[in-house]
Amino acid sequence: EVHLVESGGGLVQPGGSLRLSCAASGFPYSTIAMNWVRQRPGMGLQWVSTIADNGYDRWYADSVRGRFTVSRDNSKNTLYLQMRSLRPEDTAIYYCVRVPGFGGNGWMFDPWGQGTLVTVSS
Amino acid sequence: QSVLTQPPSVSAAPRQRVTISCSGTSSNIGSNAVNWYQQLPGKAPKLLVYSDDLLPSGVSDRFSGSKSGTSASLAISGLQSDDEGDYYCATWESSLKGWVFGGGTKLTVL
Repeated sequence: EVHLVESGGGLVQPGGSLRLSCAASGFPYSTIAMNWVRQRPGMGLQWVSTIADNGYDRWYADSVRGRFTVSRDNSKNTLYLQMRSLRPEDTAIYYCVRVPGFGGNGWMFDPWGQGTLVTVSS
Repeated sequence: QSVLTQPPSVSAAPRQRVTISCSGTSSNIGSNAVNWYQQLPGKAPKLLVYSDDLLPSGVSDRFSGSKSGTSASLAISGLQSDDEGDYYCATWESSLKGWVFGGGTKLTVL
C-alpha cells in the first residue's frame, strides 16, 4: 500500500525558514513525480511545487518561486520542501502528493499524505 | 480568485443526483485533462476522477466525470450523507506551466 507521511511543520516567525519532509513507501519512488499542495485555513487547494522523478526538473507556483525549493532523495524515498522568507500568507496545511502519469494526460494526484501544518506568525 | 470556476455550494436530498460544474479556458480545461478530488471534513483530499471521465480503482460508479470544450462536470448519483464534503476540479494551466484548482464546491446532503 502506498504511504506518504509528512513531517517538519510547526510555528515559525515571519521571515523564518522551515524544511518539510515526506517519507514515501509502497511504490517505486524514484520513477514517479511528486507534488506539494497546500491549503490555507478554511480555504481551497493550491498547487505549490512539482519535482520530476529525476530530481532535476522542477516547477513552482508564482507565489513561492524564489523562496521555496523542492528536492528529493531517491535513495531515501524522501521528498523535501525548503521554505525561506516565510510570510503569514504561507500559513497552511502542506500535503505531499504522488503524481503518476505526469507528463501526459493520464496524470493524477494520488494519493495525498495526511498533511503537516505550517503556521507563520509572530 | 481561482483560475477554474466552481459554484461555492450545491445541495440535494439523499438518493438524488447532483452535478458540480468547473469552468475554465482554452489554456487549461480546453487543452488538458481534468481531475476531480473529494475532501471529506477533516481529511486529506482523495482522487475521484482522472483524465476527464475515468474512475480510479475503488471509487464508486455513483461518481462520473465529463468534459466539453472549456467546461467539466462531476455528477454524483444516489446521494448519501457521507458524500458531504468539498469537491475540487484541477487541471494543468499551459500558460502558467503549473496546476490549477477550482475554488471548491461544498456539497450538502439535505
